Order: sequence, then C-alpha cells, then structure tokens
Amino acid sequence: EAQVTQNPRYLITVTGKKLTVTCSQNMNHEYMSWYRQDPGLGLRQIYYSMNVEVTDKGDVPEGYKVSRKEKRNFPLILESPSPNQTSLYFCASRQVGSYEQYFGPGTRLTVT
Amino acid sequence: RKEVEQDPGPFNVPEGATVAFNCTYSNSASQSFFWYRQDCRKEPKLLMSVYSSGNEDGRFTAQLNRASQYISLLIRDSKLSDSATYLCVVNPGTASKLTFGTGTRLQVTL
Repeated sequence: EAQVTQNPRYLITVTGKKLTVTCSQNMNHEYMSWYRQDPGLGLRQIYYSMNVEVTDKGDVPEGYKVSRKEKRNFPLILESPSPNQTSLYFCASRQVGSYEQYFGPGTRLTVT
Repeated sequence: RKEVEQDPGPFNVPEGATVAFNCTYSNSASQSFFWYRQDCRKEPKLLMSVYSSGNEDGRFTAQLNRASQYISLLIRDSKLSDSATYLCVVNPGTASKLTFGTGTRLQVTL
C-alpha cells in the first residue's frame, strides 16, 4: 500500500529535550516536506527536500532541522523544543512535476 | 493580505443541499490550484485539481476565475459524509511550493 508513515503519532515532551519525528514514504517520491498546522494559521511549510541531500527552508524553519540521507526518509529534528512548537505536524511527499501530495497521518506534539 | 484566503465557516447545510465555497489568492502569477479535503484531526487528501476551463467530478465542480483571482468549489446533493474542512491550495509559481488556505468547514446535517 502506498503510504507516508510518521512516528510517533503523539508526543508530550518538555522544553529543551531534543526529539526527532520520523517520516518515511514507499512511493519513491523525490519531493518531501514538513508542515505544521495551527488553528487559524493553516498548514505552513517548515522544510522541504527535492531529493537526497537537497533540503531547503520553507516558511517557518526556525527551531527545526531536517536531513535527507535516503530517498524514502525525511526526519524532522527539534534540537531544543519550546512551547511555541506545540502543534500538529504533517510530513508529505509527491513526485516532482505533480502537485498531488500524499500526507502522513500527523504527529501531535505538545511541549510543556 | 494573506496569499490564500478562505471563509472559515462553518457552513451548516441540510443533506441534499447545494453549497459553494470561494477562495481568493493574491499572487497573479499562480499557476496551479487544488482543493484538498481534511477530516477532523486527519491528514489532508487531494479532492480535485482546478483547471482553467473548470472541471467536474461527480457531485463536485471546481472553477477558476483568473481575472478576479479566485477559485470555487460547488458540492451538489450534499451527503453527511461530505462534512469536513476543505482546503484551497495554490502553487504560486515556484516549483517547490504549495500554499494552503486555512480551510472552510462544512457540516452537513440531517
């Protein structure tokens, strides 16, 4: 089954404790991205990657890091989480040249 | 001005009704347009692309008005299962980017 998976689905953590949210897709898509979704603000892009070892900032990259060492994986790293990073996070992938994005199920992160 | 603007709703309509949403975009160079559907606390999924000539998929019709910079989604014969948030999505002309509206919530009732 074609899908994007994210782990964990739910995470409660404390300020400053480094965490990684994993994302993996099995559709051989070149393009992957991370979004956060907040009430009244919609989906905002954090980082994206056009292919392996190619990443770039989206609209709200501050406080986040990513890496793309393999085509299928695109982890999101929060080196020192803060309460304003409490949000619903989605990973997505698509073929370059197509705008049909496939989203993961989301990760609900709470930073206290 | 936001890049993509939508009326947040909610639109409460009875089953069987016809309902329409509009979405405006600010960048006249925008090239591609889409409607995504998002169920509560779930991931967004592509509902349909929006073509210049307008397009229809069953009970759903999407239209693009480039002169006035808006797209629309019309749902005929609404079903309870149509209850969701509908996200307007625009490619502003750069290869990498999709800009999402904040969504319009639809609630279909008996």
